[in-house]
Amino acid sequence: DGGITQSPKYLFRKEGQNVTLSCEQNLNHDAMYWYRQDPGQGLRLIYYSQIVNDFQKGDIAEGYSVSREKKESFPLTVTSAQKNPTAFYLCASESREGAWSNQPQHFGDGTRLSIL
Amino acid sequence: GDSVTQMEGPVTLSEEAFLTINCTYTATGYPSLFWYVQYPGEGLQLLLKATKADDKGSNKGFEATYRKETTSFHLEKGSVQVSDSAVYFCALGNPGNNRKLIWGLGTSLAVNP
Repeated sequence: DGGITQSPKYLFRKEGQNVTLSCEQNLNHDAMYWYRQDPGQGLRLIYYSQIVNDFQKGDIAEGYSVSREKKESFPLTVTSAQKNPTAFYLCASESREGAWSNQPQHFGDGTRLSIL
Repeated sequence: GDSVTQMEGPVTLSEEAFLTINCTYTATGYPSLFWYVQYPGEGLQLLLKATKADDKGSNKGFEATYRKETTSFHLEKGSVQVSDSAVYFCALGNPGNNRKLIWGLGTSLAVNP
């Protein structure tokens, strides 16, 4: 079955540590997104990538980094500069074929990051 | 800039009750509107969408009509079930936003048997 796989499901970070969240998709989608979800704040866009080897900052990119070396993969690194990283992180992908408005975003099941 | 406003939750209903979750938007041009649903512990999935004024999106008994005159896209279901308990997100997509979706804050729905 095609879909998006996020791992791990739960992740714990120590102070001063960088951690990387994995996102892999086999939907052959060009565009991929990372969101942060906090209670009562909806989804906030961290980074997005519309094509391999290119990505743009979203609304809350500070303290995060990404790479897009392969179409299937869009890992997110939460750096030690992110002072409040505890949240639920969601990865999504989207096809670029056809009229954009007809292409939904497909989501993984998320990674919950906590501070030790 | 573009924005989406959803009614605050949580919403608590009894099984078979009628559901309305309000969503209004501000946007330039001709946006598309979406409802996504998030079940506990999962990611989001598209529930329904509408791409132009007066379009009605529908899926799994849920409906929403794109009303340009009132800038609204309210979600409705005639008879909710316990399995509908989830968080519902209204979202707006505008070609001028480079394919980025604008999200509402989400409305939590709990349906009691």
